[in-house]
Amino acid sequence: EVRLVESGGGLVQPGGSLRLSCAVSGFNVNDNFMNWVRQAPGKGLEWVSVIHSGGSTYEVDSVRGRFTISRDNSNNTLYLQMNRLRADDTAVYFCARGDPSTLSKVHFCDHWGQGTLVTVSS
Amino acid sequence: EIVMTQSPVTLSVSPGERATLSCRASHSVSRNLAWYQQKPGQGPRLLIYTASTRATGVPDRFSGSGSGTEFTLTISSLQSEDFAVYFCQQYNNWPGTFGQGTKLDI
Repeated sequence: EVRLVESGGGLVQPGGSLRLSCAVSGFNVNDNFMNWVRQAPGKGLEWVSVIHSGGSTYEVDSVRGRFTISRDNSNNTLYLQMNRLRADDTAVYFCARGDPSTLSKVHFCDHWGQGTLVTVSS
Repeated sequence: EIVMTQSPVTLSVSPGERATLSCRASHSVSRNLAWYQQKPGQGPRLLIYTASTRATGVPDRFSGSGSGTEFTLTISSLQSEDFAVYFCQQYNNWPGTFGQGTKLDI
C-alpha cells in the first residue's frame, strides 16, 4: 500500500527555518518524481518544488533560493528545507508522488499525504 | 503561468442528482488536465487525468471531458461521499497550476 506521511510543520517566526519530512512506504522515492505542493488557509493549491528520479530539482519563483527539496533513499524520505520564511509561506504542505509514467517535471500526482501545517508569524 | 478558472465556486445539489463542474485554462493545455477531490483535513485524491481517464479505483459515475481550454467534470448520480471540494490542474506547462476549486454542497 502506498503511503506518504508528512511531519515537521509548526509555528515559526518570519525569517526562520523549518525542515519538513515526508516518510514514504509502498514505493521508492528515488524511482519517481516527488513533489511538494502547498495550500494556504482557505485557498487553492500551489506547486512548490519537484525532484526528479535522476536528482534534478525545480522550484517555483516564489521559493527559489529559499527552499530546497531533497531525498534520503536509504530512509525512503522526502524533505523540504525552508529558510527565510515569510508570512505568505503559511500553508498546509503536502508531499505527493508524480505520475510514475511521466518523464516531465510538470505532471499530475497520483498519491498525496495528509499534509503538515506551517504557520509563519511573530 | 497558465491560469485555471473553475466555475461555479459552490454548487448546491442533492444526492442522486447530476453535477457538472467546469474548468477553463487561460491558454491551451491540450488534454493535460487532471481533476482531484479533497475532503476536509485530507490531501487531494486523483480522480481523472489526461482530461478523461479515470484513476485506479474511481467509480464510473465520475467522468471528464474537454480539450484545449475548456474542461468538464461530471458526476452522474451524487452519493453522500461525493460532497467535497474539486480542483482541476493543468500539467502542460511548468509550473502545474490549479483552479481555485468548486465546493459541492448539499
